[in-house]
Amino acid sequence: QLALTQSPSASASLGAPVKLTCTLSSGHSKYAIAWHQQQPEKGPRYLMKVNSDGSHNKGDGIPDRFSGSSSGAERYLTITSLQSEDEGDYYCQTWDTGIVLFGGGTKLTVL
Amino acid sequence: EVHLVESGGGLVKPGGSLRLSCAASGFTFSTYSMNWVRQAPGKGLEWVSSVSTTSTYIYYADSVKGRFTISRDNAKNLVYLQVNSLRAEDTAVYYCARRYCSSTSCNPIDYWGQGTQVTVSS
Repeated sequence: QLALTQSPSASASLGAPVKLTCTLSSGHSKYAIAWHQQQPEKGPRYLMKVNSDGSHNKGDGIPDRFSGSSSGAERYLTITSLQSEDEGDYYCQTWDTGIVLFGGGTKLTVL
Repeated sequence: EVHLVESGGGLVKPGGSLRLSCAASGFTFSTYSMNWVRQAPGKGLEWVSSVSTTSTYIYYADSVKGRFTISRDNAKNLVYLQVNSLRAEDTAVYYCARRYCSSTSCNPIDYWGQGTQVTVSS
């Protein structure tokens, strides 16, 4: 069954890099995913689509410090040089015919 | 600029109904699949329902099947979610979101509204 797994929390220092992971369920390693950011008390914002070959397509206005990559069933979101406004929840999302799925989200804390 | 603006939320008693609306602007509405996603207090995102461009394909999460109905009006750039037989566990912020789907594949959600609060309580 198609599913996404994320670590519940992550933290890194201001100005440091961080890499968040989203893992696809067994048998679904070729699926693309999307990353969405939700800052505190705000609605979600689309960041990018990450394909199984590691290519990614960012949304409008997403800063260069955000990038995506892949390895097997894992999809990554890397933020270089963390800023205070990057603190919040990050969700991965995938889809199949008739269904849209979200991971449980990773709460990112900027130290 | 793409805008999605939800309305119609509120406080309703268990068993009650609401009609949520989402007004779209800044893009060709009729070419995008539209979706509702909800977020319960302190919880993650949960997809609720999708409607294709011409309403040919409509899908629901198991948790709302038989109680919620999605529809759209391409002439008015509106998408609706009729929510019936509401339960306490339906309490959430409801977001409208768009996705582009071709005849062969779909892209992810790429724009979200700001949400409308639905609270189910006696």
